[in-house]
Amino acid sequence: KNEVEQSPQNLTAQEGEFITINCSYSVGISALHWLQQHPGGGIVSLFMLSSGKKKHGRLIATINIQEKHSSLHITASHPRDSAVYICAVLMDSNYQLIWGAGTKLIIKP
Amino acid sequence: ETGVTQTPRHLVMGMTNKKSLKCEQHLGHNAMYWYKQSAKKPLELMFVYNFKEQTENNSVPSRFSPECPNSSHLFLHLHTLQPEDSALYLCASSQVEMWPYGYTFGSGTRLTVV
Repeated sequence: KNEVEQSPQNLTAQEGEFITINCSYSVGISALHWLQQHPGGGIVSLFMLSSGKKKHGRLIATINIQEKHSSLHITASHPRDSAVYICAVLMDSNYQLIWGAGTKLIIKP
Repeated sequence: ETGVTQTPRHLVMGMTNKKSLKCEQHLGHNAMYWYKQSAKKPLELMFVYNFKEQTENNSVPSRFSPECPNSSHLFLHLHTLQPEDSALYLCASSQVEMWPYGYTFGSGTRLTVV
């Protein structure tokens, strides 16, 4: 079992839908990272958070440290949001990053 | 462009070939990383260089050989690869003092071993 689990693995939705991607982890962390990988391969950091909630445009990330769970929400989804969304946790024991396998999101027009 | 440039973007090589992947960063970072990304699997950290010194080698087969001549350039030399080595190879860089902020990825090299 991976120490970082993402769900769903694949998600297809219509333009305008509210999207939720989940990340659960089993280790002690000091921070959690949400990243976006476009079909070309490049990975871009979206959020780094250690508590509460962060918002950037139509993206919202929340984390519940007690439940070891984080969610990434996309409001008013658009086809350009189609990408792989990756969760990574920063372990508090050794400051290593542990990566989830990613959620592939497709938004249809 | 993120400031981390990888070349080539795509590479097809036979199992007996020798090739090299190149990564260059113009961000003034002092740490560089090689990752392997296989389909539907988490990123696998392969090598870490801090201040040009290799600080991590995660049990990577010797057919992968990294080289970091300076803090701006990182190479991955490939020889006698296997078909299961086909994957996206990603380079990243960071500023050690700001870890984990500012962690920046290149666009990757899509490697196919035939």
